[in-house]
Amino acid sequence: GQQLNQSPQSMFIQEGEDVSMNCTSSSIFNTWLWYKQEPGEGPVLLIALYKAGELTSNGRLTAQFGITRKDSFLNISASIPSDVGIYFCAGRRSGNTGKLIFGQGTTLQVKP
Amino acid sequence: GAVVSQHPSRVICKSGTSVKIECRSLDFQATTMFWYRQFPKQSLMLMATSNEGSKATYEQGVEKDKFLINHASLTLSTLTVTSAHPEDSSFYICSAQQIDIVSNEQFFGPGTRLTVL
Repeated sequence: GQQLNQSPQSMFIQEGEDVSMNCTSSSIFNTWLWYKQEPGEGPVLLIALYKAGELTSNGRLTAQFGITRKDSFLNISASIPSDVGIYFCAGRRSGNTGKLIFGQGTTLQVKP
Repeated sequence: GAVVSQHPSRVICKSGTSVKIECRSLDFQATTMFWYRQFPKQSLMLMATSNEGSKATYEQGVEKDKFLINHASLTLSTLTVTSAHPEDSSFYICSAQQIDIVSNEQFFGPGTRLTVL
């Protein structure tokens, strides 16, 4: 099935550093979502974006819905060890029944 | 709120047997549930969309006779992997979509690790 283009594929950073990851698509989405998945668990919703240009924060996390509706980014500020995990973007197109298309994921490792 | 459970959390079975996985929305009603499969170090791939009281809609390439889905109530959907083979070994995750609220996002279960010997 189709996937979104998510980058980077993995990141290994020092505790305290800021992190940025993004997703792009060749087609328009009307909703962008960011999830975090820890080993052996299901994804947990972090941030949901519904309007082009929307900028939303959840604690140290900030995500934006691109103006073109074809991209989104997620920033994590002042990373801590518990930020470790796999971050997935997901998009939903206009008019569908809620079906999500996922990015390939960004694996984040934080060195204390 | 918005808790989704799956049972079992992991299962090991012999090749040729069938395995049933349950997905329950614990504190909300869900007209729609989704079933995903995730192979190691890969993303989630949607297998099927399950609507309460109707037949599931399968994604291209997913065999509906092999992956039987039943959504008998607003809080329970089941996935049965029939005649399982080693290549069916994977992490199966369900999600449930809330109804009657403005935000209709999917909430995911903890997943079921299936190993077919």
